[in-house]
Amino acid sequence: GAGVSQSPSNKVTEKGKDVELRCDPISGHTALYWYRQSLGQGLEFLIYFQGNSAPDKSGLPSDRFSAERTGGSVSTLTIQRTQQEDSAVYLCASSPYRDRNEKLFFGSGTQLSVL
Amino acid sequence: GQNIDQPTEMTATEGAIVQINCTYQTSGFNGLFWYQQHAGEAPTFLSYNVLDGLEEKGRFSSFLSRSKGYSYLLLKELQMKDSASYLCAAPELMNTGFQKLVFGTGTRLLVSP
Repeated sequence: GAGVSQSPSNKVTEKGKDVELRCDPISGHTALYWYRQSLGQGLEFLIYFQGNSAPDKSGLPSDRFSAERTGGSVSTLTIQRTQQEDSAVYLCASSPYRDRNEKLFFGSGTQLSVL
Repeated sequence: GQNIDQPTEMTATEGAIVQINCTYQTSGFNGLFWYQQHAGEAPTFLSYNVLDGLEEKGRFSSFLSRSKGYSYLLLKELQMKDSASYLCAAPELMNTGFQKLVFGTGTRLLVSP
C-alpha cells in the first residue's frame, strides 16, 4: 500500500480481555517498530522487527504483551488480559533501513480503550 | 539512556516565526530528529541533523549544537495548518546494536489567526 496501515483504528475492550492489533507496513520495508503513546506522554518504544525476527523486545511492558511478524510483512501486537493502564494509542512504523531509525513512516495508530 | 526535554505547549499567531527548543542528554550521539504530528494522525518526519548548524527546508529549519546538547525547530510564516505537536527524538544505542528512537513528550503548537 501507499503507507503504513493499522487496524482497527479504534478498539474498546473490557478489562481482562485479549486484543490483537495489526500493522501492515510499506511494501519492501524490512524494519518494523511498535510504539505506544499515552495521553501527555512521549512515544514509548515497545519492540522492533528486522524481517521476521525481533532483536529488541526490551520495551514490552510485561509478559502480557507479545508481537510477531510473518512473511517479513504484517505484524500483530497482542495484549492478553488487558488492564486499564494499557489504554493508549499504539503506533506502528516501518523503515527501509536496517538498524537505523531515520525517516520512520508511521501509521495512524490504534486507539485502545480498556474499560 | 536518553533524556529529552521540550516545552509542553506554545502559542503563536499566523504569519509569525516560532522556535521550538529541545535539549537532550545522550551517552552517544547519532543524530537528532524532528517529527510533526497532527491530532489523531501519524507522526511525519520533518528533519534529521547529525552535524552542527542550521538546515533549512522551506518554511522549516532545524538547528543542532552537539556540544550543548541542544536543537531547535524554526517555523517561519506560520500557517493555521502548522498547529500540531512537534516531537524531538534521538537514537539510543542498545546492547543488541540496534538504535531505538527515543522521543520527547512533544510540543503542542497552537497557531491563532
